[in-house]
Amino acid sequence: GIQVEQSPPDLILQEGANSTLRCNFSDSVNNLQWFHQNPWGQLINLFYIPSGTKQNGRLSATTVATERYSLLYISSSQTTDSGVYFCAVNRDDKIIFGKGTRLHILP
Amino acid sequence: ETGVTQSPTHLIKTRGQQVTLRCSSQSGHNTVSWYQQALGQGPQFIFQYYREEENGRGNFPPRFSGLQFPNYSSELNVNALELDDSALYLCASSFGGGRFDTQYFGPGTRLTVL
Repeated sequence: GIQVEQSPPDLILQEGANSTLRCNFSDSVNNLQWFHQNPWGQLINLFYIPSGTKQNGRLSATTVATERYSLLYISSSQTTDSGVYFCAVNRDDKIIFGKGTRLHILP
Repeated sequence: ETGVTQSPTHLIKTRGQQVTLRCSSQSGHNTVSWYQQALGQGPQFIFQYYREEENGRGNFPPRFSGLQFPNYSSELNVNALELDDSALYLCASSFGGGRFDTQYFGPGTRLTVL
């Protein structure tokens, strides 16, 4: 099956810093999504991005489907950005999540 | 417009028992997906229901079963509970039956099997 690898596994940053999270996948996919899971477990959809670049406020994402990777950019980090960031790919009738990047923003 | 809700919030069961988890989808959504998230892992897809029919299934044994009702709410049933079933169970709703369109997740049910 498709493998999804996220890096780095953990990231600790000072408030105001920028960060780049990466998601690699092993085969062609129909779609890719980025999610944020807050410290209370709530999972929020950030981007639905099979290809190209999207921006939403301080967050942006780029997927290069031909090279099988996606990047999530977080600028001017805030403490509320803390949590785990997951990418998920879907192909046919399956969706596969990566193990996530745990981000901790220090005040 | 109400969001996705799940009940109960927490649940403790013993090995061999059966459990039913419930999910109410967001208003206007007709598709519900269920996921199992073990501690420190990403969610794993269990199955999806669209208009009361199963619309896809992950690698889970038949003792994991589900239902979707005419109002698009859903249940996840797990029989013969095992210790490894301890996890956070998430449901997500979406609209349109496209396998994995933009999904809105509930807060989850944390199941502990002793």
